[in-house]
Amino acid sequence: QLHLQESGPGLVKPSETLSLTCTVSGGSISSDSYFWAWIRQPPGKGLEYIGSVYYSGTTYSNPSLKSRVTMSVDTSKSQFSLRLSSVTAADTAIYYCARRLLGGNSVDYFDYWGQGTLVTVSS
Amino acid sequence: DIQMTQSPSSLSASVGDRVTLTCRASQNINTYLNWYQQKPGKAPKLLIYAASTLQSGVPSRFSGSGSGTDFILTISNLQPEDFATYVCQQSYTTPYAFGQGTKLEMK
Repeated sequence: QLHLQESGPGLVKPSETLSLTCTVSGGSISSDSYFWAWIRQPPGKGLEYIGSVYYSGTTYSNPSLKSRVTMSVDTSKSQFSLRLSSVTAADTAIYYCARRLLGGNSVDYFDYWGQGTLVTVSS
Repeated sequence: DIQMTQSPSSLSASVGDRVTLTCRASQNINTYLNWYQQKPGKAPKLLIYAASTLQSGVPSRFSGSGSGTDFILTISNLQPEDFATYVCQQSYTTPYAFGQGTKLEMK
């Protein structure tokens, strides 16, 4: 059974950089069919797609955040990471990592999720 | 960017009821539509992908339909564990977008 676990600081100061890591266990991070994604959810609000990274290092970031987002993957550790720079209170959210399956015939979905980690931006 | 609109925002129902939840995309997304169930304090759980395909392990009382811009999630014979928030998501084009959710509450 695939398991994803987010880790990182729960409190980040305004203007600093948020850094999170997702550790994948129970499966390979290097599979051809999967991307590895970050999704966030401000408290009491809806889900926002941040971006995805492929095991080769190819990334896609939501244009609304693109200038501040860096994603990377470390296949040797079965981990992928998110860095979000210049954070403000608006970046306070539960951050989820997830596996994205990309197939044919309209198949493109997030099937495994981490439990989520709350990151608060505050001084 | 494609916007996803769900209705109603909340719905009260009873165990055993059949409920219908709607999701509308701001433009044609073919059948690139996924449904998730989210319970308080938990990550979303995939229920249906490609508009109508049931994810493995999801009970058959859940069903999805639609294509283009209008989609429906139907839950038949509601069970106590079904009271949750249901979220749709388009995967037709980036940036992927989620609806704001329909909260299904017990009457």
